[in-house]
Amino acid sequence: NAGVTQTPKFRVLKTGQSMTLLCAQDMNHEYMYWYRQDPGMGLRLIHYSVGEGTTAKGEVPDGYNVSRLKKQNFLLGLESAAPSQTSVYFCASSSISWREGQDEQFFGPGTRLTVL
Amino acid sequence: GEDVEQSLFLSVREGDSSVINCTYTDSSSTYLYWYKQEPGAGLQLLTYIFSNMDMKQDQRLTVLLNKKDKHLSLRIADTQTGDSAIYFCAESSLPSNTGKLIFGQGTTLQVKP
Repeated sequence: NAGVTQTPKFRVLKTGQSMTLLCAQDMNHEYMYWYRQDPGMGLRLIHYSVGEGTTAKGEVPDGYNVSRLKKQNFLLGLESAAPSQTSVYFCASSSISWREGQDEQFFGPGTRLTVL
Repeated sequence: GEDVEQSLFLSVREGDSSVINCTYTDSSSTYLYWYKQEPGAGLQLLTYIFSNMDMKQDQRLTVLLNKKDKHLSLRIADTQTGDSAIYFCAESSLPSNTGKLIFGQGTTLQVKP
């Protein structure tokens, strides 16, 4: 099992450019999440998905779009990148074990994005 | 809204115990988690505690939960240089149909040899 993978690992964009970050998981998890991590601010949820074909806004959704066309993939798009979107982006997935009720999230290694 | 707070930095000497603290506001929190993030990597679950427990021990890790004060702590015994990382506290509430977690800001643990 590869777990959660993210591509690319690093990217530099100019203001106004667009890009898509890809997250893939091979654990058959229903739930997937996109976070951004900024110094001193922890992880903030951008968007999430509770199943194939569904997406929902998190805490900081502005400037981002997402799609979940396949259960194993969750894409994060930046239509017109801004310097404020310079951050490290993490994808995570989870499957609630109802028997135990524990919501463990499994994280990818992150994508470091710089917007000039 | 829900909030999780942590101090940002802790420095200890190798072999000492480390105690990382966390406070949360959501009284309906059901599970509380500690995640570890090593440099350049994603987060990995270290341990978790269910809200009806006061304490959980797992090898060198001890989690204490004071539900009345909404205070959670992670104690690492005999801290090693390999424990240097960022530690995140997180909480979730059940029933949950989203699996969402609320994370604290993260505490950077520096272990000096």
